[in-house]
Amino acid sequence: KAGVTQTPRYLIKTRGQQVTLSCSPISGHRSVSWYQQTPGQGLQFLFEYFSETQRNKGNFPGRFSGRQFSNSRSEMNVSTLELGDSALYLCASSQSGQPYEQYFGPGTRLTVT
Amino acid sequence: KNEVEQSPQNLTAQEGEFITINCSYSVGISALHWLQQHPGGGIVSLFMLSSGKKKHGRLIATINIQEKHSSLHITASHPRDSAVYICAVRSMETSGSRLTFGEGTQLTVNP
Repeated sequence: KAGVTQTPRYLIKTRGQQVTLSCSPISGHRSVSWYQQTPGQGLQFLFEYFSETQRNKGNFPGRFSGRQFSNSRSEMNVSTLELGDSALYLCASSQSGQPYEQYFGPGTRLTVT
Repeated sequence: KNEVEQSPQNLTAQEGEFITINCSYSVGISALHWLQQHPGGGIVSLFMLSSGKKKHGRLIATINIQEKHSSLHITASHPRDSAVYICAVRSMETSGSRLTFGEGTQLTVNP
């Protein structure tokens, strides 16, 4: 099976712009979680989608949003970008909402200038 | 105090040494994960534990639910083991796949 894929891998944006990141889970996986990794805060949970519904949301402002499509692919959107949004954004998929092992994608490195 | 704490933060070893990384957590959990992150960012899941002990090759992970503590051991360490090792827990209080992470342990194995 193909692994989790994320596009794009690298992105440079300017403050105030918005960005959309994409994640395609492993075939058959219905749960997709998004995480932000920064040097200062480490890895933090953004949100999880399961069967097109947001099941959990982390402590991030409303500028961060996401969605999941019927084929389980997920997108996350960040509006009105700030310098502090520069980070590695990782998604992970698992077979269902049960505590199954999570499989991580390679990440999208976002730089906001 | 963070919900998940790891020690040490940095660890340097010589090839062949036995390595232990520790993880303590403060919440009730349904599962604990050990993850490996190489430079460049990719994360690989090494273990998922809810009790006892698991072994994959030279890696061993143990968990003590009563003491809220887990350890990751690497036997006969090799320079290719150099990476950041991250402990993450899934709280019993949340549904789904939400993970809370430790700060990671940077391991360097010298030849």
